[in-house]
Amino acid sequence: DTAVSQTPKYLVTQMGNDKSIKCEQNLGHDTMYWYKQDSKKFLKIMFSYNNKELIINETVPNRFSPKSPDKAHLNLHINSLELGDSAVYFCASSQDLGFYNEQFFGPGTRLTVL
Amino acid sequence: AQSVAQPEDQVNVAEGNPLTVKCTYSVSGNPYLFWYVQYPNRGLQFLLKYITGDNLVKGSYGFEAEFNKSQTSFHLKKPSALVSDSALYFCAVRWGNTNAGKSTFGDGTTLTVKP
Repeated sequence: DTAVSQTPKYLVTQMGNDKSIKCEQNLGHDTMYWYKQDSKKFLKIMFSYNNKELIINETVPNRFSPKSPDKAHLNLHINSLELGDSAVYFCASSQDLGFYNEQFFGPGTRLTVL
Repeated sequence: AQSVAQPEDQVNVAEGNPLTVKCTYSVSGNPYLFWYVQYPNRGLQFLLKYITGDNLVKGSYGFEAEFNKSQTSFHLKKPSALVSDSALYFCAVRWGNTNAGKSTFGDGTTLTVKP
């Protein structure tokens, strides 16, 4: 059983388009995250949600809008895609906001903006 | 500022030799330290964590890490490396109770184990 799943796995699109990435976790966790991994493999947090409530918005452009319809899902919508948005986006979850909790990561979505 | 550093971009070891992947941190208050591994084209997988208690923490796949408060380090170790250990390793830190669950990740260390 996949704990944290993301769709699609690959996304190739033109500059200026709008796209969405979906994430689902079946672990019963309260907290979910979006991370961006750039071409140098650096990992940066973008957002975190706890029980559908936005907790962290890490100075991400307004073109990125997360949505959490329920605590098992955290989707990422990106408007007006730019070349610099090309990266691998990882969804993750943890049991709750407790700082002793490890995170469980999805397989990633490789976004390529042409 | 709170931070975590992995001073080596790349670590190369021969199969069967011990390996060490270094991590140092800088936080105010008590740190909560984690190691994750990322295999090619995969998401990160949790290896082990230090919360409190025994400074030597054992984790998955035979890995262990030692928390050293005086040196502010949390180095990842394995007594005998396998070729299959070749991957990208991330150290991460969380701290205090006001960071709303945020983790700060190091820049990663690529471990290559040669046969």
